[in-house]
Amino acid sequence: GAGVSQSPSNKVTEKGKDVELRCDPISGHTALYWYRQSLGQGLEFLIYFQGNSAPDKSGLPSDRFSAERTGGSVSTLTIQRTQQEDSAVYLCASSLGGGRETQYFGPGTRLLVL
Amino acid sequence: GDSVTQMEGPVTLSEEAFLTINCTYTATGYPSLFWYVQYPGEGLQLLLKATKADDKGSNKGFEATYRKETTSFHLEKGSVQVSDSAVYFCALNRDDKIIFGKGTRLHILP
Repeated sequence: GAGVSQSPSNKVTEKGKDVELRCDPISGHTALYWYRQSLGQGLEFLIYFQGNSAPDKSGLPSDRFSAERTGGSVSTLTIQRTQQEDSAVYLCASSLGGGRETQYFGPGTRLLVL
Repeated sequence: GDSVTQMEGPVTLSEEAFLTINCTYTATGYPSLFWYVQYPGEGLQLLLKATKADDKGSNKGFEATYRKETTSFHLEKGSVQVSDSAVYFCALNRDDKIIFGKGTRLHILP
């Protein structure tokens, strides 16, 4: 079946602009995760949604970052007032039920802030 | 806090050589352990996993054994191919989020 999809695949923006990144998880997966992959920091957890529970936002680096998941499926990660240090690849993953279930990753969105 | 440490690369080997990429972890409790691989231009893929002590994960000729006594999960392959060139990430899953090592870039020369 279809895997995790993300859009756009690449995004170039100017410092100070807002950006929205989209993730479509695998159908039937109740858990959805966002990670960030950058040269300096490696792969970092950002936020986790599981069903109707309150999301785990413990990895968000600042209040400029937010995410929502509508209808338990598609998720949008929003970065407000982008900074150059936000440049990274943003990865989305989904799993069948959270916990120790295997997470399947999308191809990522490469964000470049000029 | 929980963490994963893996050998820094890049690692360069000739085709058919034996591969070991070391990985150790720090965690309370009993996390699940993973190796993910990222081929050039592609997304992260799960390579193998182990969920409890002494479990051996294996896939595509790669193996790793969950060693609780040494808190290790070293990746091995007996004979590497050029197509194995990629970045390999050791990771653990605890409390629903994955904690990754910094990745090891592997180059296989024909």
